[in-house]
Amino acid sequence: QKEVEQNSGPLSVPEGAIASLNCTYSDRGSQSFFWYRQYSGKSPELIMSIYSNGDKEDGRFTAQLNKASQYVSLLIRDSQPSDSATYLCAVKGNSGYALNFGKGTSLLVTP
Amino acid sequence: SQTIHQWPATLVQPVGSPLSLECTVEGTSNPNLYWYRQAAGRGLQLLFYSVGIGQISSEVPQNLSASRPQDRQFILSSKKLLLSDSGFYLCASTGSETQYFGPGTRLLVL
Repeated sequence: QKEVEQNSGPLSVPEGAIASLNCTYSDRGSQSFFWYRQYSGKSPELIMSIYSNGDKEDGRFTAQLNKASQYVSLLIRDSQPSDSATYLCAVKGNSGYALNFGKGTSLLVTP
Repeated sequence: SQTIHQWPATLVQPVGSPLSLECTVEGTSNPNLYWYRQAAGRGLQLLFYSVGIGQISSEVPQNLSASRPQDRQFILSSKKLLLSDSGFYLCASTGSETQYFGPGTRLLVL
């Protein structure tokens, strides 16, 4: 069973702070990593993808990947109340067609 | 970029009734297509995926079935719904490496 683990939260951060969301995965052969944001009652929307070790920045979002530690994270700088949502980590292995999703971390940004 | 349509948006059905949910994709060709279910407060459960017309792989044995009659059309069906079939049904499409989701169908079985 290929596992993707996330802390369910809720993670509460004040407005303007940095939110740090973490994800670990069990399939060492995984090649592609994704972060999705899901607002309550809505479908997941892709925030970022990352394929190589290191950091990848896109606006206020930074994804970090460490394949040796089987760890991927998402940092949200200058957090806003509109960032309050559930964040899903997804991992694609080197075999098969489907992504493996974590159960998500609930983020609450308080004004 | 691709656009995924799903309908209906919401559905209330009695136990034992049939089901048909439809998903269509625009802006890409020969995508991999997926059906997920998300029960209230739960994670995403992959139900079916398809890599081409008529090719369906089932991930979870259950009373649901899927079909892909056209390249960009994916249908989820059931002959007799169970209470446990309630949930948020999401169609997804993968072009190259990236997977995108449709808006979803919220199904309530009473």
